[in-house]
Amino acid sequence: AQKVTQAQTEISVVEKEDVTLDCVYETRDTTYYLFWYKQPPSGELVFLIRRNSFDEQNEISGRYSWNFQKSTSSFNFTITASQVVDSAVYFCALKGSNYQLIWGAGTKLIIKP
Amino acid sequence: KAGVTQTPRYLIKTRGQQVTLSCSPISGHRSVSWYQQTPGQGLQFLFEYFSETQRNKGNFPGRFSGRQFSNSRSEMNVSTLELGDSALYLCASSQADAWVETQYFGPGTRLLVL
Repeated sequence: AQKVTQAQTEISVVEKEDVTLDCVYETRDTTYYLFWYKQPPSGELVFLIRRNSFDEQNEISGRYSWNFQKSTSSFNFTITASQVVDSAVYFCALKGSNYQLIWGAGTKLIIKP
Repeated sequence: KAGVTQTPRYLIKTRGQQVTLSCSPISGHRSVSWYQQTPGQGLQFLFEYFSETQRNKGNFPGRFSGRQFSNSRSEMNVSTLELGDSALYLCASSQADAWVETQYFGPGTRLLVL
């Protein structure tokens, strides 16, 4: 069975703090894809990043960075110097051999000014 | 390029009625997937269409159905609405093979069943 766990239901930090959102996944597939999406209050899911199971290279995009570790089945997301506009619900998702996106429960991130 | 569009954005129905939601994918995208999002169950996959054929289906009852037209636009239909069908319905499109392609989402349709 495939599963994505985002243990942090809600995180609240003050602007400019760094924050890490955790994602742990379970799959028996050797080939799979991992994703992060952001959902602002408007409701639209915004794509942030995609990683395949053979690419463990970490990625940095501006203030965002992702740490993929197959050994611990984790794909964590860090926002550096957080801003109020980063406030949203963030979802981690897994796509394996069943061709379906399996979603985590999401982490609500609140950035206080 | 215009993004994924969904109509209507908001809808109120009563139990027992049926509803049709529409999704227009990004130009050039041929795969359309539908998801249901509720506070209790989170995001769940409904089905995926590619070239007018349903290619994948989630674990939802037969009251939930969909179709795709030759221009890749898709509709989903829910018959005999139940209170539990109140949700945000999200449509996502991808270029070809939804297995390897990233899906891009529309703003969703918020359905309230009274």
